[in-house]
Amino acid sequence: EAQVTQNPRYLITVTGKKLTVTCSQNMNHEYMSWYRQDPGLGLRQIYYSMNVEVTDKGDVPEGYKVSRKEKRNFPLILESPSPNQTSLYFCASSTGTGAGNTIYFGEGSWLTVV
Amino acid sequence: GQNIDQPTEMTATEGAIVQINCTYQTSGFNGLFWYQQHAGEAPTFLSYNVLDGLEEKGRFSSFLSRSKGYSYLLLKELQMKDSASYLCAVIDSNYQLIWGAGTKLIIKP
Repeated sequence: EAQVTQNPRYLITVTGKKLTVTCSQNMNHEYMSWYRQDPGLGLRQIYYSMNVEVTDKGDVPEGYKVSRKEKRNFPLILESPSPNQTSLYFCASSTGTGAGNTIYFGEGSWLTVV
Repeated sequence: GQNIDQPTEMTATEGAIVQINCTYQTSGFNGLFWYQQHAGEAPTFLSYNVLDGLEEKGRFSSFLSRSKGYSYLLLKELQMKDSASYLCAVIDSNYQLIWGAGTKLIIKP
């Protein structure tokens, strides 16, 4: 079954404590990305990756890091989380960004920073 | 700047028809997606338009006018399970996805 799996699904952490949200896809997709979703703001892209070892900033990259050492994995790293990073996070993957490439989303990770 | 506008919220009655509009101003255009998102869940794919006209898929249809920068999603024979947010997203000239904030659709019995 085609899947994008992200963990943890729910996390409460304290300000400044480094955390990593993992993302893995089993569809051999080249393109992966991370979004955050906040009420009234829709999906905002944090980082994306066109392929292994290729990552680029999205619209809201501040406070986040990513890596793409393998095609299937695209972890999101919060080196020093702050309360304004409390949000719902989605990992997504697709064959590419060309026309018509359906995007598959993970189930989401609810992150609360206190 | 790039912008996608959708109504924030709409209300409709079970069994009725509703049209959700999306207007966009982007640097280039390479296609438009509609996604459905139930509260707290991941968005799921509904439709994709790249040419002008209407694409019909069961109870859902999506229309595109590139000259007007306009699309709509038409939902017929509304069911309670259609209560969700509907997200419009445009692929720009750099093949990046620009997302609208979504339209929350409330279905009443």
